[in-house]
Amino acid sequence: GAVVSQHPSRVICKSGTSVKIECRSLDFQATTMFWYRQFPKQSLMLMATSNEGSKATYEQGVEKDKFLINHASLTLSTLTVTSAHPEDSSFYICSADGTGGGNEQFFGPGTRLTVL
Amino acid sequence: GENVEQHPSTLSVQEGDSAVIKCTYSDSASNYFPWYKQELGKRPQLIIDIRSNVGEKKDQRIAVTLNKTAKHFSLHITETQPEDSAVYFCAPLPPSGGSYIPTFGRGTSLIVHP
Repeated sequence: GAVVSQHPSRVICKSGTSVKIECRSLDFQATTMFWYRQFPKQSLMLMATSNEGSKATYEQGVEKDKFLINHASLTLSTLTVTSAHPEDSSFYICSADGTGGGNEQFFGPGTRLTVL
Repeated sequence: GENVEQHPSTLSVQEGDSAVIKCTYSDSASNYFPWYKQELGKRPQLIIDIRSNVGEKKDQRIAVTLNKTAKHFSLHITETQPEDSAVYFCAPLPPSGGSYIPTFGRGTSLIVHP
């Protein structure tokens, strides 16, 4: 149980385009999902907390107009990188809050974004 | 928010040796202490966790010890193998039921030499 999928796994796009990444909880309902960005040889940095039916909460320094988050259902959250630039190239990972009574995180497999 | 520090940042050992990674946190309300292993280009994988009501937990070659008074917990890997080579992260969390912000340590790159 507690499987999280993420699509696409890899995307290459031109500078200025927008890219949408989907995060789905396959066998449980996730009220809360988290979006992280990870640069090479660095830790996971939380970008935003996505709550079903409400606006996402962004961490300091993360532009909410650039990284649009939608959590329209209890099993799906999307992250759209708008007007992507090469510096947005990174590994984006989502996680969902577990339902086991604790705060276990269940991670998606990640999306490697490369902006040319 | 939680201030998490992880040491060392890099750990190089010979196959068969033991490895210990320490995580220090600041929020005394934290009660869930997981360790994740992340291989290159893959998602973090939970390898062991502990809750504040116990001081130690072991799973074969992997163990976690917790010192709530000193606010640190450690990952212990015995009889290391080359496939243990990865980056390890800690991410202490508060009790469920309220809002929280997951904070990861900076990671420890473990290299196990054959």
